Amino acid sequence: DTAVSQTPKYLVTQMGNDKSIKCEQNLGHDTMYWYKQDSKKFLKIMFSYNNKELIINETVPNRFSPKSPDKAHLNLHINSLELGDSAVYFCASSQETANTEAFFGQGTRLTVV
Amino acid sequence: AQSVTQLGSHVSVSEGALVLLRCNYSSSVPPYLFWYVQYPNQGLQLLLKYTSAATLVKGINGFEAEFKKSETSFHLTKPSAHMSDAAEYFCAVKANQFYFGTGTSLTVIP
Repeated sequence: DTAVSQTPKYLVTQMGNDKSIKCEQNLGHDTMYWYKQDSKKFLKIMFSYNNKELIINETVPNRFSPKSPDKAHLNLHINSLELGDSAVYFCASSQETANTEAFFGQGTRLTVV
Repeated sequence: AQSVTQLGSHVSVSEGALVLLRCNYSSSVPPYLFWYVQYPNQGLQLLLKYTSAATLVKGINGFEAEFKKSETSFHLTKPSAHMSDAAEYFCAVKANQFYFGTGTSLTVIP
């Protein structure tokens, strides 16, 4: 009964490959996010979806493409992986209401070799 | 524009000592503020949140934070550190998204 689940937890792949990370939330939230956490633990927003519509698209390479088939799912596809893409990627969800917190998944540690 | 600043990327305290992690915010609207904790190889967990109901907010694991509008601060405290408190702590403010601080790594010395 995990609230926000993402798969896989670990992903090791070679440069140039294409990979996807999946995220699902069972909280009934209307907003979902993708964050990238670098080696210094800094959290950077990548994308935000509200009811399947993209509302935040920060400056990330267009090799990164989010897809939200329904409001409970937000997947992240990455094309032509580069060494600099190595990081931990977190999915999160929240209600749009201002005073509600975000719930985070356990993260996907992506290592590009 | 919304932002948070966490002073001190690393804080070390002795077991049983007071924990104080600092957070200052910048917000053009009444802020909604949060503290999260991240244990190694895990996601972020909510410690507590300020939603304007009370300036002193109590959270899980004995942590609390006080909202001070005049100082634009929302510092996190715990009277007595425990070894299990060693983790990364993030302050965040919410507008149309969550704006996170750069994090403070807490080390507890036995």
